[in-house]
Amino acid sequence: GAGVSQSPRYKVAKRGQDVALRCDPISGHVSLFWYQQALGQGPEFLTYFQNEAQLDKSGLPSDRFFAERPEGSVSTLKIQRTQQEDSAVYLCASSFSLYRGTDTQYFGPGTRLTVL
Amino acid sequence: DAKTTQPNSMESNEEEPVHLPCNHSTISGTDYIHWYRQLPSQGPEYVIHGLTSNVNNRMASLAIAEDRKSSTLILHRATLRDAAVYYCILRDSQTGANNLFFGTGTRLTVIP
Repeated sequence: GAGVSQSPRYKVAKRGQDVALRCDPISGHVSLFWYQQALGQGPEFLTYFQNEAQLDKSGLPSDRFFAERPEGSVSTLKIQRTQQEDSAVYLCASSFSLYRGTDTQYFGPGTRLTVL
Repeated sequence: DAKTTQPNSMESNEEEPVHLPCNHSTISGTDYIHWYRQLPSQGPEYVIHGLTSNVNNRMASLAIAEDRKSSTLILHRATLRDAAVYYCILRDSQTGANNLFFGTGTRLTVIP
């Protein structure tokens, strides 16, 4: 079946522009996560949704970052007034189970954002 | 969630077994041990997980020490496609965050 998809795969933005990154999770998956991966580092958590509710946004680095999942399926990560330090790969993951110990997260291919 | 320690890099010859170690000396009784890997230019993918007993699946085996303070991911015959960064992650089933804490992982190089 279809996995997690993300669009666009690559995005180049000029400093100060707003960007929107889209994630289509696996159908029926309750949980959705956004991660940020800087070059040479492991992914770092940004925010978590359970259905349409944003339950954890402790990883968002600033108030320029905003995420939504209005109908409990597709999610959008928006970055306002992009800065060079926002350049990274943004990964989306979804999971079916709510059980923390054993649930599997399925990742999309990521969106590589480059801010000039 | 408790932390894990992994070597930064390892090498293996193609078609030979690979043992990737992970130390987790502060593991709690409710922590599951998960492994994910990330191939170049791809998102991470799940490999295997376990609690106390050794586990096998089509991708790999997970050997867990009796005191659970360490574990080893075993790839029985490394292929070029196994070249990736491997992450050992603890997940508390009772408390803690829902997200994964990746750390820096072990970069596995497979030599043809």
